[in-house]
Amino acid sequence: DVVMTQSPLSLPVTLGQPASISCRSGQSLVNSDGNTYLNWFQQRPGQSPRRLIYKVANRDSGVPDRFSGSGSGTDFTLEISRVEAEDVGVYYCMQGTHWPWTFGQGTKVEIK
Amino acid sequence: EVQLVESGGGLVQPGGSLRLSCAASGFTFSDYWMSWVRQAPGKGLQWVALIKEDGSNEYYVDSVKGRFTVSRDNAKNSLYLKMNSLRAEDTAVYYCVRESSRSAASWGQGTLVTVSS
Repeated sequence: DVVMTQSPLSLPVTLGQPASISCRSGQSLVNSDGNTYLNWFQQRPGQSPRRLIYKVANRDSGVPDRFSGSGSGTDFTLEISRVEAEDVGVYYCMQGTHWPWTFGQGTKVEIK
Repeated sequence: EVQLVESGGGLVQPGGSLRLSCAASGFTFSDYWMSWVRQAPGKGLQWVALIKEDGSNEYYVDSVKGRFTVSRDNAKNSLYLKMNSLRAEDTAVYYCVRESSRSAASWGQGTLVTVSS
């Protein structure tokens, strides 16, 4: 199985400041169709996960533009340009290139 | 609006069986691959099973192969997960998920399965 490694696992941030989460995969996520199936999810306390980003950098409908995704191959990043209180939760990267699709361990974002 | 409503969770003894259901609405169910994803208490996420739009192909994570069966009824807009030979490590919230772009585009609220004697 493809191992997805996130860092940091805990991220205390100041309101209004930027935040960045790294995700590395154990092998390239470039699929034979040319797409890179790397996704980001947010799980707020007590809620189901919600997809934020798909195929590296595409924001889902309704996702604020302060969230952005980037990267290629095996190294990917989720950035929050200015953290707001509603951004508290656990963030997961997930690869959909190799079955079984796998998630990272999660990064807990909290307000300092 | 996409809605996915899971049911069927509960307490079951080790070795027992359970069948989860997911009622889908707000989209054309037969156009989408569907999945089950689980989350053990206080833990991360794990993809469990995936089924093609017409039910002709199924995929499972190794840890559930031979024990779990995913199925769907497109006429009833419903997804199912039959779980046999349940183990303590199967204890988790099970989410019904609509797939899109090889990802979990939409999630239900989840149903808790507890395997314990």
